[in-house]
Amino acid sequence: GAVVSQHPSWVICKSGTSVKIECRSLDFQATTMFWYRQFPKQSLMLMATSNEGSKATYEQGVEKDKFLINHASLTLSTLTVTSAHPEDSSFYICSARGRGGSELNTEAFFGQGTRLTVV
Amino acid sequence: GQNIDQPTEMTATEGAIVQINCTYQTSGFNGLFWYQQHAGEAPTFLSYNVLDGLEEKGRFSSFLSRSKGYSYLLLKELQMKDSASYLCAVVDSNYQLIWGAGTKLIIKP
Repeated sequence: GAVVSQHPSWVICKSGTSVKIECRSLDFQATTMFWYRQFPKQSLMLMATSNEGSKATYEQGVEKDKFLINHASLTLSTLTVTSAHPEDSSFYICSARGRGGSELNTEAFFGQGTRLTVV
Repeated sequence: GQNIDQPTEMTATEGAIVQINCTYQTSGFNGLFWYQQHAGEAPTFLSYNVLDGLEEKGRFSSFLSRSKGYSYLLLKELQMKDSASYLCAVVDSNYQLIWGAGTKLIIKP
């Protein structure tokens, strides 16, 4: 399957600072990238969907000014958590969908996830 | 509304067989995924069904009935490393993934 690389795997930051998480598709062009948040023992919660070259579409309840998403190229999307607070501590996961064969068009490939702890 | 139902938790014995069910009600249907997720890790792809019937991949098989809005994941010859959460996700008419809450599978020796 296709490879999605997410960085960093874990990060600890002070309250009030900003954190940037990168998501890269290594061997395919990601036309759509998804950002999820997952709290312990809960399912994935979609935060936003971004298509290359356009603004991200945020899910209801997700603050777009707090969670900045950039999808400037077909291989890179970034999520910046601005002015992070302890309640933002969570597991953030990106996934990507690309163009090409049927598998790429439908299957979402996941990054490794980023464990964010705000202290 | 859109809804995916799967059991919260299941327990099985090493070497046995377990079936995890998933029922869905979504606006449109463009396929159903099963993912495995170990604690603290991202989900990994197991299977994708878009047509009715059974798809077999080694110890894992996935079944789909679109008319019944139903799928199951069948795990054979269970191993301790199969202890994980199993997530069912449906692709709706907008090609968005609708996620179930996941089934935590506990394997006992």
